[in-house]
Order: sequence, then C-alpha cells, then structure tokens
Amino acid sequence: SQTIHQWPATLVQPVGSPLSLECTVEGTSNPNLYWYRQAAGRGLQLLFYSVGIGQISSEVPQNLSASRPQDRQFILSSKKLLLSDSGFYLCAWKVKGSYGYTFGSGTRLTVV
Amino acid sequence: AQSVTQLDSQVPVFEEAPVELRCNYSSSVSVYLFWYVQYPNQGLQLLLKYLSGSTLVKGINGFEAEFNKSQTSFHLRKPSVHISDTAEYFCAVGGGNKLTFGTGTQLKVEL
Repeated sequence: SQTIHQWPATLVQPVGSPLSLECTVEGTSNPNLYWYRQAAGRGLQLLFYSVGIGQISSEVPQNLSASRPQDRQFILSSKKLLLSDSGFYLCAWKVKGSYGYTFGSGTRLTVV
Repeated sequence: AQSVTQLDSQVPVFEEAPVELRCNYSSSVSVYLFWYVQYPNQGLQLLLKYLSGSTLVKGINGFEAEFNKSQTSFHLRKPSVHISDTAEYFCAVGGGNKLTFGTGTQLKVEL
C-alpha cells in the first residue's frame, strides 16, 4: 500500500540554527511531491513542489529550500531559521495525472 | 492562476443543526475542487472532490458539496452536525501540478 512518512512530528529550534525536515513516500514511483506550510490564521501555503529527482519549483521566496535527492524523498531545509519560519509543515504526494493528493501527518516547528 | 476564498474564518453551530461552509474559487484552467478536514495537530483528510459529472458531490462523514459554475462556488454542507465535526475545513482548487488552498474555516460545534 502507499504511505507517506514525515518526521519529526515536533521540533523546537533556536533562531539562526539549521533545519532539515524529511518526507518519504512508499508504494509508488515517480510521484509529484509537495511542501506546504500552515501558519496561524494563514491557511495552507504551497512552498515547493517537485515533479522529479532534482526538479524543484519554488512558489514563495523565503528562507527555505527544498531538495529531492531520490525519487521518493523530499527534504525541506534552511541554513538559518527565523522566528517567522515557525508553523506546521505538511508534505504531500500525488500520482502524476491524478487528482488524489495524500498528506503526511505534519511537523510542528517552533523557532525560539 | 487559481485562488480560493473562504469568507468565514469561524462558524459556530449547535449540535444537530445544519451547517454550510462557503467557498468561492477562481481558475484560468479546468476546475477541480476539493474539501479537506484537519483535526488538531494532524494532517489533512479528504472529505470530497469534484472532478467532473454531477454537480452534487457526496463525501465522507455525511458531508456534501455543490459545484456551481455560474457563481464559481463550491459550498460544503451537512444537514446535522456532531460534536466530532469540530475541526478546520479547507477548500482547495487543483489544476496542473498544484493544489491551492483557502485560508480555512474553523467549525465549532457546541452542545
């Protein structure tokens, strides 16, 4: 069966520290992968998406970057976190040509 | 370009009463519409989706939505809510490789 794993579930990081959030998908190949951020009162904002290994599209200029080193692995990174990076980060995937998006359980990031 | 507007940030309702959560969209490509529910500190769960065909879409947990092309709306309805329906609800429009969400509506069901 197809599953999506996202970790860690919660993270508290100091301002200026680096960040690495990982998302992996099982049971499918060549999926589209997505990173969304949910900040308080601001809904879900698409940050990055990828249609293949090494292919990253950025939707919002910011302090974050994404990489896709393997077909089913999507990583969200930052070199130096800002307070404004706090939020709930969700990874998602879908089969190309379909409209069934599946979301991970999310990572709650608090920058202090 | 595509966008979604959810005008109501919060909707309080008593248990067993009907509820409607409003969603309006704009899209320059074919329209595919979704409603998701999010319980506290969890990911998103798909309630229902409209891809084509009948404009009345039935989903899980007794929810339904109606696609209205002339009014560019996709409102979510439930005839009788339960305490367990308390959650945040997101409307989304999909096209190409992207899914664009509204800002969400917090549904609070009270006794």
